[in-house]
Amino acid sequence: EVQLVESGGGLVQPGGSLRLSCAASGISLSNYWMHWVRQAPGKGLVWVSRINSDGSDTGYADSVKGRFTISRDDAKNTLYLQMSSLRADDTAVYYCSSGSYGSAGYWGQGTLVTVSS
Amino acid sequence: DIQMTQTPSSLSASVGDRVTITCQASQHISSHLNWYQQKPGKAPKLLIYDASSLETGVPSRFSGSGSGTGFTFTVSSLQPEDIATYYCQHYDNVPFTFGPGTKVDIK
Repeated sequence: EVQLVESGGGLVQPGGSLRLSCAASGISLSNYWMHWVRQAPGKGLVWVSRINSDGSDTGYADSVKGRFTISRDDAKNTLYLQMSSLRADDTAVYYCSSGSYGSAGYWGQGTLVTVSS
Repeated sequence: DIQMTQTPSSLSASVGDRVTITCQASQHISSHLNWYQQKPGKAPKLLIYDASSLETGVPSRFSGSGSGTGFTFTVSSLQPEDIATYYCQHYDNVPFTFGPGTKVDIK
């Protein structure tokens, strides 16, 4: 059974940093493109970032470019999202997902990030 | 950046009805379009990719069509378990924008 499990969410002050992790089991992440998608409370889905299967190519939404960094550790079968200069509008459930270049067939359950003083 | 619009934003239909949602891209995106289903409190689920390809294990009552800038998602016979919000998403180039979603419920 394929499982993606996000962790690292929590309460952080504006301007702070947080690193999210997404640990995979049942699949080898090195074979997949990986994505982060977020969803603010009661709102729609927002694509955040993606990384290709060998980690050489990354992409970001304009709203997080320069503040967030996606990375992967295939030895640990884990995806990361390093978030800095966090703002209140970054508050959301963050989902990791895996699949092809643009489509994600596997998703985690999400981890909540709350940015508040 | 490519913008995605969806219509309607919500709809109510009876069990067994045919339901159609449209998605419009602000630029040509070929067939680089997904459709996702999201139930409350759950992660999204991929239903359709490449505009019309059914993801493995997804019931055949779900279908998608279109290319370029206009796309359609159809549930041929609505079932109670299809109550959810449906999102289109393009992946023509970064950023892979989602549409605003269409909330579907039972009349």
